[in-house]
Amino acid sequence: SAVISQKPSRDICQRGTSLTIQCQVDSQVTMMFWYRQQPGQSLTLIATANQGSEATYESGFVIDKFPISRPNLTFSTLTVSNMSPEDSSIYLCSVDRHTNSYGYTFGSGTRLTVV
Amino acid sequence: AQKITQTQPGMFVQEKEAVTLDCTYDTSDPSYGLFWYKQPSSGEMIFLIYQGSYDQQNATEGRYSLNFQKARKSANLVISASQLGDSAMYFCAMRDRMDSSYKLIFGSGTRLLVRP
Repeated sequence: SAVISQKPSRDICQRGTSLTIQCQVDSQVTMMFWYRQQPGQSLTLIATANQGSEATYESGFVIDKFPISRPNLTFSTLTVSNMSPEDSSIYLCSVDRHTNSYGYTFGSGTRLTVV
Repeated sequence: AQKITQTQPGMFVQEKEAVTLDCTYDTSDPSYGLFWYKQPSSGEMIFLIYQGSYDQQNATEGRYSLNFQKARKSANLVISASQLGDSAMYFCAMRDRMDSSYKLIFGSGTRLLVRP
C-alpha cells in the first residue's frame, strides 16, 4: 500500500495565522483527498486535489479558507487560513490506490490547536 | 444521496469475546465499496477490511469479518476474540461511483472498549 508522509504531526497556532500541511506520497497517484476531523467527530471531506487542476471543494468548504496545491503526482499541501479556535481539528490527507485489498491510505494526521 | 449510518456511539466487549459493530448504508449506485477503519487514540486511520458490492462472499481478514447483507444495505464488522488493543474508534465508510472523484464517505463511528 502507499506510504504517506504528513507534516507537521501537530501544531499550536495563534488565531488569525495560517498553517500549511504537507503530504508526500511514495508513488504517483491521481487524486489526493483532504479530510477534517473535529474533536469527537467523524471525518469530513474538505476537497479532492487533482494534479494540474483546481481542487474540488465540498459543500461548506471554500478555497479562500482552505487553499490547496497539487504541484505534482506525489505531493499536496493544505493551508488553513486565518485560523480561529473552531479550526482546531485533526487534518488528514488520503489517497486511493485503486487496490481494494488496501483501501484508501491515510497520512498520520496533523493535530491542530488554535489558541 | 449517499449515506453511512453507525447507530452505536459506544460499545463494550469482554476480552476474548466477539463483538459486532453495526453499519448501514444508502446508495442508488449498484457498484460501490464498503470499508472499515480503526482509529486508535494516536489518530491514525488503519484500514481493516473491504467489501465490494458484487462480491459473492463476505470479506474476512484475520480476526475481522464483514457480515454483508446487501438487501438490507448493512455491512456489520465482526471482531472475534477481542483483545485489549482493539479498544479504539471504528469507522464504516463507503465509496461509490455516483461521484466521479470516488470519494470516501464516513459514518459517525463507534467507540469500542475492550474490558480485561
